Amino acid sequence: EAQVTQNPRYLITVTGKKLTVTCSQNMNHEYMSWYRQDPGLGLRQIYYSMNVEVTDKGDVPEGYKVSRKEKRNFPLILESPSPNQTSLYFCASSLSGVVGNTEAFFGQGTRLTVV
Amino acid sequence: GNSVTQMEGPVTLSEEAFLTINCTYTATGYPSLFWYVQYPGEGLQLLLKATKADDKGSNKGFEATYRKETTSFHLEKGSVQVSDSAVYFCALSGGNAGNMLTFGGGTRLMVKP
Repeated sequence: EAQVTQNPRYLITVTGKKLTVTCSQNMNHEYMSWYRQDPGLGLRQIYYSMNVEVTDKGDVPEGYKVSRKEKRNFPLILESPSPNQTSLYFCASSLSGVVGNTEAFFGQGTRLTVV
Repeated sequence: GNSVTQMEGPVTLSEEAFLTINCTYTATGYPSLFWYVQYPGEGLQLLLKATKADDKGSNKGFEATYRKETTSFHLEKGSVQVSDSAVYFCALSGGNAGNMLTFGGGTRLMVKP
């Protein structure tokens, strides 16, 4: 079954404690991205990756890091989380971006609370 | 830059009512337009899309027409069901902004029996 898998689904952590949210896709997609969803703001892109070892900033990259060492994995790293990073996070993948007919597939989300 | 504006929710309807969720956009070039749906506790799923002016996307009884003259992509359904209760996101990509998906704020739909 084609899917994007995120872990963990729920996480409560304390300010400053480094954390990683994993994302894996089994569709051999080149393009992967991370979004955060906040009430009234929709989804905003944090980082994206066009392929292995190629990453770039989205709209709201501050406080986040990513890496793309393998095609299937795209972890999101918060080196020093702060309360304003409390949000719902989604990983997405698509064959080659979402221009035209390419569909984006989303994970189930990770609800992060930073206290 | 690109932006997408959706009507604020929640929208509450009775079963079998007609649904319209308004979406307008600002973009340079010729973007593709999408509606995504998010059911409770799940990620977003593509509902329908349109890639050029006057195209109509349709799926599961939902429709939206790409209107370049009014920069709109309103979502409609003739008869909603309780199972349509979800959050709906209008989005665009392409044009001069490349691959990035730009989302509206989302509209929560609640359908009562």
